[in-house]
Amino acid sequence: GEDVEQSLFLSVREGDSSVINCTYTDSSSTYLYWYKQEPGAGLQLLTYIFSNMDMKQDQRLTVLLNKKDKHLSLRIADTQTGDSAIYFCAEMSTGRRALTFGSGTRLQVQP
Amino acid sequence: DTAVSQTPKYLVTQMGNDKSIKCEQNLGHDTMYWYKQDSKKFLKIMFSYNNKELIINETVPNRFSPKSPDKAHLNLHINSLELGDSAVYFCASSQDMGVGTEAFFGQGTRLTVV
Repeated sequence: GEDVEQSLFLSVREGDSSVINCTYTDSSSTYLYWYKQEPGAGLQLLTYIFSNMDMKQDQRLTVLLNKKDKHLSLRIADTQTGDSAIYFCAEMSTGRRALTFGSGTRLQVQP
Repeated sequence: DTAVSQTPKYLVTQMGNDKSIKCEQNLGHDTMYWYKQDSKKFLKIMFSYNNKELIINETVPNRFSPKSPDKAHLNLHINSLELGDSAVYFCASSQDMGVGTEAFFGQGTRLTVV
């Protein structure tokens, strides 16, 4: 079955780069997503990458995909205190029309 | 305007009660979902509907019954509530069931069973 794993916690200083990692097991994963959840709020889609891409950049966000190792990462440049949240990696495969989420990584940004 | 709205935002109820959570989307999407987030923040799909038709029905107790009166609404009714049902329930919608489609989430309903 599908499995998506993330480390639970990351702490960085304001202005540094943050890198959040994710691994998945489903080789038929077609799209991989990063969602952000702020306290008491719903999930906000940050970015996504199609499985035939290696990299996608969107302003401060860079997504890297290593399909061979089934490894996905999200890099946030110049991390701000407003970036403190839980970040979820998720995947969707062609055979399954719903998102499978990782456990979430809590990012804490210290001033 | 809120794209995906759920009511209520908070729900505290006793074991054994029956309760409903409502969800509405004004995005004109065809597909709607219910996800459950437990106390450890794990998020899992429960149900999905496409144009009022049930598509995904994960291993969820029969006490949970989704109802979609039209494609803009997907309600979740829960019978005989148990302590383990305490969680945050998220409704979501997407344009269709395409693999790359973006899912928009509601703010969540925090259900506490006492």
